[in-house]
Amino acid sequence: QQKVQQSPESLIVPEGAMTSLNCTFSDSASQYFAWYRQHSGKAPKALMSIFSNGEKEEGRFTIHLNKASLHFSLHIRDSQPSDSALYLCAVGGGRALIFGTGTTVSVSP
Amino acid sequence: GGIITQTPKFLIGQEGQKLTLKCQQNFNHDTMYWYRQDSGKGLRLIYYSITENDLQKGDLSEGYDASREKKSSFSLTVTSAQKNEMAVFLCASSMGRSERLFFGHGTKLSVL
Repeated sequence: QQKVQQSPESLIVPEGAMTSLNCTFSDSASQYFAWYRQHSGKAPKALMSIFSNGEKEEGRFTIHLNKASLHFSLHIRDSQPSDSALYLCAVGGGRALIFGTGTTVSVSP
Repeated sequence: GGIITQTPKFLIGQEGQKLTLKCQQNFNHDTMYWYRQDSGKGLRLIYYSITENDLQKGDLSEGYDASREKKSSFSLTVTSAQKNEMAVFLCASSMGRSERLFFGHGTKLSVL
């Protein structure tokens, strides 16, 4: 049974700073790794995803994946107040996506 | 683009009541999902379906039934509502199981 954990549970980041979020998973056979963002009262929306070890950058967002460590992360460069939201990591590989416990990010102006 | 419509948006039930939530998608996606979200936390998988008439249990399936009679619709039934239960039920769809999920806006359940 896949276990997906996120850290920290919440964080406050000054505007313009880097936000770093972590996700660990338990199933080494996992093949698909994604981050979703959910603004308050809204539906979750996919941010970006990665299949293989390494790094992927899209605009201000970067994913790092290390399958051997069962860990992947999301980094947000130049954080903006509009980045304040609940961030959910998700892991897939044969069954449906299993989501993490969530990290609440607040970007202070 | 497409849309996922969940009905109702709000559902108030009584303890022990059987309650049904509905979800429709017009993406023509094969796979549909039901997740539960408690007070702004992570999503827990209840059921998913990879095609019409298929049902797969998630980690939280006990106390729920699901039905996928058409490709475009997926319903979830709470078999016996628990007193003081409060959660948001999110429906989603994707083309495949390792593809991007698109979510509906959720049904907010309160049990008195």
